[in-house]
Amino acid sequence: EAQVTQNPRYLITVTGKKLTVTCSQNMNHEYMSWYRQDPGLGLRQIYYSMNVEVTDKGDVPEGYKVSRKEKRNFPLILESPSPNQTSLYFCASSFLGELEYGYTFGSGTRLTVV
Amino acid sequence: AQTVTQSQPEMSVQEAETVTLSCTYDTSESDYYLFWYKQPPSRQMILVIRQEAYKQQNATENRFSVNFQKAAKSFSLKISDSQLGDAAMYFCAWAFGNEKLTFGTGTRLTIIP
Repeated sequence: EAQVTQNPRYLITVTGKKLTVTCSQNMNHEYMSWYRQDPGLGLRQIYYSMNVEVTDKGDVPEGYKVSRKEKRNFPLILESPSPNQTSLYFCASSFLGELEYGYTFGSGTRLTVV
Repeated sequence: AQTVTQSQPEMSVQEAETVTLSCTYDTSESDYYLFWYKQPPSRQMILVIRQEAYKQQNATENRFSVNFQKAAKSFSLKISDSQLGDAAMYFCAWAFGNEKLTFGTGTRLTIIP
């Protein structure tokens, strides 16, 4: 089944403790992206990647890192999480040049930083 | 920067009735794409319908249809014969070329039995 797999689904952590949210897709998509969803703000892009070793900042990149060492994986790294990073996170992917068909989304990660 | 505006944070509709969710956007591009995504309580993002700006005909998917007014930069979603399973957050989104999808703030739809 074609899908984007995110893990974990839920995560509670403490301020300053490094964490990684994993994202993997099995569709050979070039384009991958991370969004955060907050009430009243919709979904905002954090980082995106157009191919292996090619990443760029989205609208809200502060406090986040990403890497794209393999085409299928695009982990999101919070090196020193803070409470304002409590949010619902989505990984999404698409063929480059086919964003007109929208994204395939992962099932989301609910992160709480206390 | 491109913006997408959903001015109705919440809407409700009686089961079997019709409801329209509003979306406006701001762009100087002429060839772009518009989407409506549904997010039920499961949190999954589900593509409901998409529209290509160069097509004048409004897209339709079963009970879901859009009213695309390019000059007015408006892209509303009409849900006919509303069902309990339609209860969800609905997001409007815009995309151009290889640019990201830009989302609105969402409209929470409640279905009244």
